[in-house]
Amino acid sequence: AQSVTQPDIHITVSEGASLELRCNYSYGATPYLFWYVQSPGQGLQLLLKYFSGDTLVQGIKGFEAEFKRSQSSFNLRKPSVHWSDAAEYFCAVRNSGGSNYKLTFGKGTLLTVNP
Amino acid sequence: EAGVAQSPRYKIIEKRQSVAFWCNPISGHATLYWYQQILGQGPKLLIQFQNNGVVDDSQLPKDRFSAERLKGVDSTLKIQPAKLEDSAVYLCASSSIWLRSYNEQFFGPGTRLTVL
Repeated sequence: AQSVTQPDIHITVSEGASLELRCNYSYGATPYLFWYVQSPGQGLQLLLKYFSGDTLVQGIKGFEAEFKRSQSSFNLRKPSVHWSDAAEYFCAVRNSGGSNYKLTFGKGTLLTVNP
Repeated sequence: EAGVAQSPRYKIIEKRQSVAFWCNPISGHATLYWYQQILGQGPKLLIQFQNNGVVDDSQLPKDRFSAERLKGVDSTLKIQPAKLEDSAVYLCASSSIWLRSYNEQFFGPGTRLTVL
């Protein structure tokens, strides 16, 4: 069964500092990988996704993520964090075949941004 | 393009009462999902519909939860009777079956349920 681990429950960074959020997945074949952001009281917004090809993917709001098959990781990065990036971030994996498109999410990483 | 709509946004009920949530997906999206997000956890899929058929309901507690999508458009999720552990945010998502979209899921704002 597919699974996702986000090792960091809560991360605090200063505005302008760089950010890396960790994500490790477990899946038998090549996975489809996603990062979502959730602001308080809001639904999930897709930041970026990986299906195939270039292992470095660019997303919205200046985020990027790198797929590393050897490490089963899909870490999210941003070179300079803005106060508006404070939110909860979820990594998710989905099977790449069939008609079941179930997303399996990690438990999330809460990001606090200090001024 | 309008997003996924959900109502109500908030609901407070007593345990053993019944509750229903409504979702209207993005127009033209054939696939609809209901997720349960308990505080401090990631969303967990309860049920996936493709048009009005169920694709996956393996994690739906069928003794108390039910869901329907009769005309292949909007959907209702019901809990009867509710338990304290059902307190969560219920998220609805939809996706298109067209290959170019890779079935990207678009989420609604959710319904926050509190069971007292």
